[in-house]
Amino acid sequence: EDQVTQSPEALRLQEGESSSLNCSYTVSGLRGLFWYRQDPGKGPEFLFTLYSAGEEKEKERLKATLTKKESFLHITAPKPEDSATYLCAVQAPGETSGSRLTFGEGTQLTVNP
Amino acid sequence: DTEVTQTPKHLVMGMTNKKSLKCEQHMGHRAMYWYKQKAKKPPELMFVYSYEKLSINESVPSRFSPECPNSSLLNLHLHALQPEDSALYLCASSARTELNYGYTFGSGTRLTVV
Repeated sequence: EDQVTQSPEALRLQEGESSSLNCSYTVSGLRGLFWYRQDPGKGPEFLFTLYSAGEEKEKERLKATLTKKESFLHITAPKPEDSATYLCAVQAPGETSGSRLTFGEGTQLTVNP
Repeated sequence: DTEVTQTPKHLVMGMTNKKSLKCEQHMGHRAMYWYKQKAKKPPELMFVYSYEKLSINESVPSRFSPECPNSSLLNLHLHALQPEDSALYLCASSARTELNYGYTFGSGTRLTVV
């Protein structure tokens, strides 16, 4: 059974204080690892998909990396508008279309001005 | 168009009511999903439609009835719900290409059962 564990559960940063969120996963053949941002009462907003160990992707202040066991979401010089819950999810192998995502519990990030 | 559109955004219904949630996408995605999300929890998969056919049902109670009329539309029919069914209901769609796998969520319908 696929498992995804995110840490920390909650993180408070001062504006400009860089940090990293962790996503550890156990899956029988990773097809894709997804990072989403979710604001309260809204749907998850897509950030990145990573497919193979060593892959890195960047978007503004965010950078996602992937190893064979975990993924990191690095936040550089965060701003208050980066405050949200960040969700990590893995895609199950085997299905050619209609593939379920298994989510971690999320990291709730608060950036204080 | 790179969006998944859900209506209504908010819904309050009594336990004897019948209502429907609607989801629409025009990205050409052939897989569509319903997820349920409770407060401070991750989304939980309910149903998967692949090429307009139900491919996964995660043992969801029969008071939830999905329907996929065509490749762009997905409905979730609700009947005789319980207060514990109150949650954010999310629709998503996905497509696999040679280079990428897109998996897009809508903004959700906030459902309250009274």
